[in-house]
Amino acid sequence: AQTVTQSQPEMSVQEAETVTLSCTYDTSESDYYLFWYKQPPSRQMILVIRQEAYKQQNATENRFSVNFQKAAKSFSLKISDSQLGDAAMYFCAYRSAERASGTYKYIFGTGTRLKVLA
Amino acid sequence: ETGVTQTPRHLVMGMTNKKSLKCEQHLGHNAMYWYKQSAKKPLELMFVYNFKEQTENNSVPSRFSPECPNSSHLFLHLHTLQPEDSALYLCASSPIADQPQHFGDGTRLSIL
Repeated sequence: AQTVTQSQPEMSVQEAETVTLSCTYDTSESDYYLFWYKQPPSRQMILVIRQEAYKQQNATENRFSVNFQKAAKSFSLKISDSQLGDAAMYFCAYRSAERASGTYKYIFGTGTRLKVLA
Repeated sequence: ETGVTQTPRHLVMGMTNKKSLKCEQHLGHNAMYWYKQSAKKPLELMFVYNFKEQTENNSVPSRFSPECPNSSHLFLHLHTLQPEDSALYLCASSPIADQPQHFGDGTRLSIL
């Protein structure tokens, strides 16, 4: 069975600095997708970035980028030039590429709470 | 405006009550999901509906009963819940089941 582990329950970063959130996963599949979701205090889950496992190039979305190490099964999120609005809970998620029972399986980590200090 | 609307935002109920959570999306999506978010636990996928057909039930107790009357609406009927069922229940939707999901704000459920 697949698992997703976020070993940092909480992180802090100074405004305008860079922070990296870690995520590791375990799977026997060769093709899959990885996501980072952000959940601010408003509770809405927002997709931050998505990475296809078959792509070697790391995904980038403005100030957000990932360091995807497939062999190490690591998928960290780097936030550059941190802003106060980045303060939120961040969830790493895994989605299989193979359908099981007609749908895809999503597995989430326990989350990392990011605090941004002014 | 998230595109996915959940009501009510908060719900307090006794263990013998029957209530329903509602989720509505007008994004034209065909897949809808129920998640349970408990403190310090991973987000748990409960149910998946794809084109109104339930395609996944992650060993959820029968006291939770989903209903998807059309692609825009998803309900979670609750009856005889337990205190450990207190959690944030999130609804999500996606164009089809293999696309990234859009989440609602959730319903905070407290069982007395």
